[in-house]
Amino acid sequence: SQTIHQWPATLVQPVGSPLSLECTVEGTSNPNLYWYRQAAGRGLQLLFYSIGIDQISSEVPQNLSASRPQDRQFILSSKKLLLSDSGFYLCAWSVRDYGYTFGSGTRLTVV
Amino acid sequence: AQSVTQLGSHVSVSEGALVLLRCNYSSSVPPYLFWYVQYPNQGLQLLLKYTTGATLVKGINGFEAEFKKSETSFHLTKPSAHMSDAAEYFCAVSEIFNNNDMRFGAGTRLTVKP
Repeated sequence: SQTIHQWPATLVQPVGSPLSLECTVEGTSNPNLYWYRQAAGRGLQLLFYSIGIDQISSEVPQNLSASRPQDRQFILSSKKLLLSDSGFYLCAWSVRDYGYTFGSGTRLTVV
Repeated sequence: AQSVTQLGSHVSVSEGALVLLRCNYSSSVPPYLFWYVQYPNQGLQLLLKYTTGATLVKGINGFEAEFKKSETSFHLTKPSAHMSDAAEYFCAVSEIFNNNDMRFGAGTRLTVKP
């Protein structure tokens, strides 16, 4: 069966520090992969999506970047975190089933 | 581009009462529609989805939703609320053959009172 792993579950980072969040998918090939951010009390904001290795589309200009070095690995990064980067980050995948499967999320607090 | 509007950011019901969460969509092509549930500090879990065929869709945990094209709606219902239904619910829409482009509503937080 297909599973999605996302880590870490929680992270507290100082302003100006780098960030790396990782997401991996098992049990499927060539998935579409997504990074969403959910700010407190707000809906889901699509940050990046990828339809294949090294194919990344950015939905909004911001302090973050994404990479897909392997078919089932999706990484969200930042060189210097801002306070406004705090939020709940969700990775998701889809494979032609017109529905997304989400990871368990990472709670990022920038202090 | 498609979009979703969820009416009511907070809904409160008593245990055993009807749950109704409203969702209206906008799409230039026949849409695929979804409801997701999110419990605190967890990812989103698919409740149900409409693709084609029967417009009344049944999902997990006793929830169902009806696709009404004339009203561009996909409201989520459950006849009798349970305390465990307290969560945030998201409606989402994607355009056929392009599920890279799913759009989520802002979410509705459901509170269930004893």
